Amino acid sequence: KNQVEQSPQSLIILEGKNCTLQCNYTVSPFSNLRWYKQDTGRGPVSLTIMTFSENTKSNGRYTATLDADTKQSSLHITASQLSDSASYICVVSHLSGGYNKLIFGAGTRLAVHP
Amino acid sequence: DAGVIQSPRHEVTEMGQEVTLRCKPISGHNSLFWYRQTMMRGLELLIYFNNNVPIDDSGMPEDRFSAKMPNASFSTLKIQPSEPRDSAVYFCASSLEVPGTSGYKQETQYFGPGTRLLVL
Repeated sequence: KNQVEQSPQSLIILEGKNCTLQCNYTVSPFSNLRWYKQDTGRGPVSLTIMTFSENTKSNGRYTATLDADTKQSSLHITASQLSDSASYICVVSHLSGGYNKLIFGAGTRLAVHP
Repeated sequence: DAGVIQSPRHEVTEMGQEVTLRCKPISGHNSLFWYRQTMMRGLELLIYFNNNVPIDDSGMPEDRFSAKMPNASFSTLKIQPSEPRDSAVYFCASSLEVPGTSGYKQETQYFGPGTRLLVL
């Protein structure tokens, strides 16, 4: 069964600290993996997209890694800021009938405290 | 570009009423998605259009839900009759999909601000 699991479910860190969010998936055939950031009351915003051949991608203080062999991805946030408080959603895409089908994780809710 | 536009932003209605949500995708995008988000179930894909054609509607809950995309710049999601359990935030998203060697390659999805629906 195609599934995406994220951990932890929620996380509290102090401003300035680093943190790492995890995403494990059992999706086949794999097409790409995305990380989204969703602020409260807003739509998700794409942070990174990685294909099978990419094992790391950065977007400012956000760095995503992908291990296609173990089917794991992580999102590392460096020097956290209060504005990083949000839900982070891992989405894995697989090809079905020539089109991308998206499987969503439940998200990790991050709170950055001063 | 104004991004993905959704209307209304908020909707409060009574059980049994018809609800129509509207979406204008980003100009030039050829794929459009309707999502529903609740605390219990997270983000769920309802339906996905490519070049105005429904490709995957396996997420549409039941016959009370219908979606149309009459042209490349407009889509609607209709719920008739609405029920309290339909209360959620409904997002529309669009992206550009380009043919690849093993199927369509999807670029970044851009989400609209969502419509917050409350069915009493």
